[in-house]
Amino acid sequence: GAGVSQSPSNKVTEKGKDVELRCDPISGHTALYWYRQSLGQGLEFLIYFQGNSAPDKSGLPSDRFSAERTGGSVSTLTIQRTQQEDSAVYLCASSFGTATEAFFGQGTRLTVV
Amino acid sequence: KNQVEQSPQSLIILEGKNCTLQCNYTVSPFSNLRWYKQDTGRGPVSLTIMTFSENTKSNGRYTATLDADTKQSSLHITASQLSDSASYICVVSAQAAGNKLTFGGGTRVLVKP
Repeated sequence: GAGVSQSPSNKVTEKGKDVELRCDPISGHTALYWYRQSLGQGLEFLIYFQGNSAPDKSGLPSDRFSAERTGGSVSTLTIQRTQQEDSAVYLCASSFGTATEAFFGQGTRLTVV
Repeated sequence: KNQVEQSPQSLIILEGKNCTLQCNYTVSPFSNLRWYKQDTGRGPVSLTIMTFSENTKSNGRYTATLDADTKQSSLHITASQLSDSASYICVVSAQAAGNKLTFGGGTRVLVKP
């Protein structure tokens, strides 16, 4: 596609359930970022993939959060045993190489009830 | 620790007036600095991207400046319009760590008629 695509756009889940959020980056982009944004707050870094390098997981808030990027393209962010504080908009961005423009998806709004 | 600080956190301006947003960073070694605009409920959209050698860059009514010596940047909005109401986010990229992006907390701008 022409831009970064995220799915689903909205997800409501019950506390304790697992969820998977998907990000389709722009074709050819080697860098992929996951961020989350709580209501009225700034962007919080979660994880960063760059080419074949080991991902930078320094922003993952707990071991309930994990992400993978298969074949250097699509990425999935998994949250296990969701908690209410996980409710936020999860944004994905991709860029081509380094020092270039990063494009964001529209985000997945996760609500844990 | 790499940090990006923005000020003010929020401001209200009258339509047609100008305003300037500030960004201070400690990211090192510096690669580039970006300003993004984020409308409510949408993903951030890039306004400008500047490297070390660039002092100013314009995008329509938006003009960004960069002083790499003092590690400061500003975003000036000229003749504000109602559609400028959004959050403006300063993002700095480091040469190390694979150019991971560090986000500021954003400045929320509200333009009133």
